[in-house]
Amino acid sequence: EVQLVESGGGLLQPGGSLRLSCAASGFTFSTYSMKWVRQAPGKGLEWISYISTTGSTMYYADSVKGRFTISRDNAKNSLYLQMDGLRAEDTAVYYCARADTGSFDLWGQGTLVTVSS
Amino acid sequence: QSALTQPRSVSGSPGQSLTISCTGTSSDVGGYKYVSWYQQHPGKAPKLMIYDVNRRPSGVPDRFSGSKSGNTASLTISGLQADDEAAYYCCSYVGSYFWVFGGGTKLTVL
Repeated sequence: EVQLVESGGGLLQPGGSLRLSCAASGFTFSTYSMKWVRQAPGKGLEWISYISTTGSTMYYADSVKGRFTISRDNAKNSLYLQMDGLRAEDTAVYYCARADTGSFDLWGQGTLVTVSS
Repeated sequence: QSALTQPRSVSGSPGQSLTISCTGTSSDVGGYKYVSWYQQHPGKAPKLMIYDVNRRPSGVPDRFSGSKSGNTASLTISGLQADDEAAYYCCSYVGSYFWVFGGGTKLTVL
């Protein structure tokens, strides 16, 4: 089955760090660029990061630049998001998504990150 | 980059057709063919419904169609069904590997 499964979410205090993972299966992971998208409670979708097929190129939305790092391990069919310096406004469900030209054609089920003191 | 503008809500009766608009600028919607639409039911992950302005992924009913005119993209749903009730988000590529979403539209089937 073609799918993405996120993990690693949780509750943590402001200033903390967390690493999200996204396990891909059912397709050739190494041939697809990947993205992270988040959705704050009751809010809309926000694209936050992109990584190329080889992992050599990464881009970030201004809201997370300098604090979040996207990476991938094609041998393990896995995508990661290292989140440092977390803030209350980073509270959201985080989705990994497969990139197909200009769209997001496959999504994981999401993992919830809550930042609160 | 500001979010694309969508109506907060729309509604229609079963069998009717309706259109959701998505307004941007010449730097996003108007400048690229990479406009996509996503359906999201409560508590679920988004699902791709339209990509490249007007192309449907395999498995998406042909009741769903997309178009674009200038800086405004549109999603039209014909033959409205109860299961179409969901939130819909547009998205546009804005260059340099950046994307922007619309604020979302809540579709209610009366």
